[in-house]
This record gives sequence, structure tokens and C-alpha cells, in this order.
Amino acid sequence: KAGVTQTPRYLIKTRGQQVTLSCSPISGHRSVSWYQQTPGQGLQFLFEYFSETQRNKGNFPGRFSGRQFSNSRSEMNVSTLELGDSALYLCASSPRGPGLPPGATDTQYFGPGTRLTVL
Amino acid sequence: QKEVEQNSGPLSVPEGAIASLNCTYSDRGSQSFFWYRQYSGKSPELIMSIYSNGDKEDGRFTAQLNKASQYVSLLIRDSQPSDSATYLCAVRVRAAGNKLTFGGGTRVLVKP
Repeated sequence: KAGVTQTPRYLIKTRGQQVTLSCSPISGHRSVSWYQQTPGQGLQFLFEYFSETQRNKGNFPGRFSGRQFSNSRSEMNVSTLELGDSALYLCASSPRGPGLPPGATDTQYFGPGTRLTVL
Repeated sequence: QKEVEQNSGPLSVPEGAIASLNCTYSDRGSQSFFWYRQYSGKSPELIMSIYSNGDKEDGRFTAQLNKASQYVSLLIRDSQPSDSATYLCAVRVRAAGNKLTFGGGTRVLVKP
């Protein structure tokens, strides 16, 4: 199976702009979670989508938003970029769904990430 | 108190030795526990998951979980220079969907 793919891999933006990142999960996986990784804060949870619905949200401002499409692909958007938004944005996919053994549903596999630099 | 804590390291081990990494967590509702390896500039790669108390072995890796003491550990046997990376402990709480809470990571250096 192909792994999680993320596009673009690298982005350079300036303050005040907005950006959209894309994630395609592993085939058959229905849950997509997004994380932000910075040297200072480590890996922090942004939000999770399952069946096109946001199921869980981390402690990030409303400038961070996301959505999921019917094919499970997901996008996240950051508006009005700030210097502090410079980070590695990681997408993780999980099989999560009914009928699967409990242990199998919550393993998350990460994509290669999108490195966002805000100037 | 951080929800998931790890010693940041670096943990320096000679090649062929055992590397022992520890992770403590604060939420007793934690249900699933994961170890990820992350090389510099790369994304986290799953090493193993553990759900029940006790040991779980996979190749050179052994995860140990003790829910009563709220810690999970990872042993790397016969450490190789290629094991040099940051190891991230992640915890999922039952009530938090698929949200993973990560520790800050332990940097491991395996010296030839």
C-alpha cells in the first residue's frame, strides 16, 4: 500500500498570507489527524477528521482550520500567517472505524510532512 | 506537570549495547501507547504500539507498559549507529478520539 502523502513538501510564505496543505491518507484509512511540530513546542495535535467531520480539536486559534473530503483526503488551512506558524505540519492516517479490533483502529501513520516557513 | 514526559537526552550508548528509554504519563484514562522514531528532518515512524501491561517484543525492540505506575519504556537491544534518532512516546486517551499526546522525545546517539 502507498503511504500517507502530503503536498506540498515545502512552502515559503509571508506574514498575513494564507496557506492550504493537503494530505492523502493510506488507502482504506478513514481518519486523518493533523499535527504541528516546532522545536520549542514539540508535536502538538491540531485536529482529527473522520467521515468528513471534525471529531477532535487541539488548542490552536481559529486561524487553523481543516476539512475532509468524501475520499478521505484532507486539507488544512492557516489564514493570516504569523512568524510563529513556521513549523513542520504532519498528517497522520488511521484505519479507525467500526468492526475493527480496538488495537488496530488507533495506530497512526505519518506522512512526510510539509515544512512551512513564514517570513 | 506535562501530560507525557521523556528525558530529552542525549542518551549516548555504545554500539551493541542496550538503550533504555522511559516515558511517564499523567492521565489514567490513557489507553494506547506508541513509540515513534524520528530522524532529523524526517517524519515520525512507528516502531511499536502497546496496550496491555507487560512486555511486547518486536525484533530488537521491547516495549514495557506499567499502567499502575503510569510509565512506558522502550528497550533497544544490540544498538546500531542507524538507531541514532529521536524517540517519541505518544499516548492516546480513551476520551480524546484519535488525538495523540506526545512527549518531547529522547535523542539517542549510538557510538561505533
